[in-house]
Amino acid sequence: DQQVKQNSPSLSVQEGRISILNCDYTNSMFDYFLWYKKYPAEGPTFLISISSIKDKNEDGRFTVFLNKSAKHLSLHIVPSQPGDSAVYFCAASPYSGGGADGLTFGKGTHLIIQP
Amino acid sequence: GAVVSQHPSRVICKSGTSVKIECRSLDFQATTMFWYRQFPKQSLMLMATSNEGSKATYEQGVEKDKFLINHASLTLSTLTVTSAHPEDSSFYICSAAQEETQYFGPGTRLLVL
Repeated sequence: DQQVKQNSPSLSVQEGRISILNCDYTNSMFDYFLWYKKYPAEGPTFLISISSIKDKNEDGRFTVFLNKSAKHLSLHIVPSQPGDSAVYFCAASPYSGGGADGLTFGKGTHLIIQP
Repeated sequence: GAVVSQHPSRVICKSGTSVKIECRSLDFQATTMFWYRQFPKQSLMLMATSNEGSKATYEQGVEKDKFLINHASLTLSTLTVTSAHPEDSSFYICSAAQEETQYFGPGTRLLVL
């Protein structure tokens, strides 16, 4: 049973445009959500996170939106750059304090930025 | 800041031998570290939670006698794959928690022949 779902295995976006990556979750105990960027044969790199008490968090070109009632979050990257091409994982955790719980990951979305 | 290292980055071993993978938080202390595994074209799957000074907590389906975890200090956790078999070949990644956020190591590619 996939508790964190990224339904788009891949996404192609033109350079300079907005990239929107989506993530849905089923476990209502999830309270903290993170986005990671990953290249093949490397560990994930943390991008941005959001706690369930917020509906938006912004950091530079990256913005994460959370719709708790819909159990949906999205990552917006604007403007998209060639270096953004990678696999993006959505991850969720039951608690927002202490980092004491393992993350549940989605299957990832391969973002391809076209020049 | 928040750098996590793993060693080795790649290891090839014979079936039946044991392999130790080290995970270190370089610039922060982590009371909790995590071990994940990733099969080709699949997501990262949590194997176990490593707590400094206490026993690790394993996820369902992960054999604790096969994947030995030691978290001897606030900056080091080790994963030992005992009596490795070809089906243990995978990409193993650790993370260290700093408050709510987990920072990941670069991963270790294990190939068991």
